[in-house]
Amino acid sequence: AQTVTQSQPEMSVQEAETVTLSCTYDTSESDYYLFWYKQPPSRQMILVIRQEAYKQQNATENRFSVNFQKAAKSFSLKISDSQLGDAAMYFCAYRRASQGGSEKLVFGKGTKLTVNP
Amino acid sequence: AAGVIQSPRHLIKEKRETATLKCYPIPRHDTVYWYQQGPGQDPQFLISFYEKMQSDKGSIPDRFSAQQFSDYHSELNMSSLELGDSALYFCASSFRGFYGYTFGSGTRLTVV
Repeated sequence: AQTVTQSQPEMSVQEAETVTLSCTYDTSESDYYLFWYKQPPSRQMILVIRQEAYKQQNATENRFSVNFQKAAKSFSLKISDSQLGDAAMYFCAYRRASQGGSEKLVFGKGTKLTVNP
Repeated sequence: AAGVIQSPRHLIKEKRETATLKCYPIPRHDTVYWYQQGPGQDPQFLISFYEKMQSDKGSIPDRFSAQQFSDYHSELNMSSLELGDSALYFCASSFRGFYGYTFGSGTRLTVV
């Protein structure tokens, strides 16, 4: 079974600084998708960024970027110019690719990010 | 843009009662997923439906059942509620999962 590990239960960063959240996963599949979700205090689950395993180029969405190391099964999230609104729980998630497209997401335990003014 | 709609937003039930949670996916999305998130925990997969057929099942208690209807909305039925069922229940929908999953705002169930 696929597993996702987030080794940092909590992280903190100063406003305007950069922070990196770690995620590793275990899978025997060669084709899959990886995601970072943000869950603020409102508990809404918000997609931050996604990465297709077949793509070598790291995904980027404005201030959010990933470092995808397929051989190492590592998928870290870098947040640049951190803002107070970035404070949230961040979940790394894995999904196996399939023809049917109904594969479930497997989540890590989450990293709680605090942004200090 | 249309989002995933869940109702009700909050629900308080007594032990041994029954609860029904509803989910309306984004139009043209073909898959619906249900997740349970306990306090301070990561979301746990319960069940999914692809084109109105059950496609996968996770750690869903036998007291729970779910279905997807012809209009693609889904309902999660929970019977003989226990205190431990208190959690946030998310519904998510996707189109083949390629572009991630869109989550609803969740239903917060409290069992007293």
